[in-house]
Amino acid sequence: AQRVTQPEKLLSVFKGAPVELKCNYSYSGSPELFWYVQYSRQRLQLLLRHISRESIKGFTADLNKGETSFHLKKPFAQEEDSAMYYCALRVLQGGSEKLVFGKGTKLTVNP
Amino acid sequence: DGGITQSPKYLFRKEGQNVTLSCEQNLNHDAMYWYRQDPGQGLRLIYYSQIVNDFQKGDIAEGYSVSREKKESFPLTVTSAQKNPTAFYLCASSSQLPGQIRGNQPQHFGDGTRLSIL
Repeated sequence: AQRVTQPEKLLSVFKGAPVELKCNYSYSGSPELFWYVQYSRQRLQLLLRHISRESIKGFTADLNKGETSFHLKKPFAQEEDSAMYYCALRVLQGGSEKLVFGKGTKLTVNP
Repeated sequence: DGGITQSPKYLFRKEGQNVTLSCEQNLNHDAMYWYRQDPGQGLRLIYYSQIVNDFQKGDIAEGYSVSREKKESFPLTVTSAQKNPTAFYLCASSSQLPGQIRGNQPQHFGDGTRLSIL
């Protein structure tokens, strides 16, 4: 069965410190993974996806198929990074597709 | 993303009542989705629709119903059979890349509707 696990419910770091939000997945097909972010009082929005291999707002994430992981990293956290982060897996099912989300990690960056 | 509108923002329901949550998009997206967001549970898929007049159950469809009569609209009805309806409901849409069997663009989300039981 497909599953996305974000082991940390809460993560707190100080401004300027490195941050890593963990994401592990389970899926028998070819994985496509995403990170979504929800800032306070804002909509859930796409942060980045592995196929783009891009860096958004200083965040990067590398898909590691051997470890079935897609951890989100930033070398120097900023206070404005405080938000709820969700890892998501695209799943094909019966000719259609859907996203399976992890339970989310709330990141707090302290001054 | 102003292209997806959910209404109302807050909704109250009495026990035994059905209520319908609205989701409209003007992005010309083929696919639409309904999620339920509970604290500590993340987003759980209720129903989704890849094209008009077709929809599939998600992971927690019991107690919910949907329709997809128009491309831009995907209303969700929370029926009295849903025993724990108090939650935050999110609608999303994505476009189908032409000529591909898979590959919807990443989903765009609405602002959500918060449903509470009186």
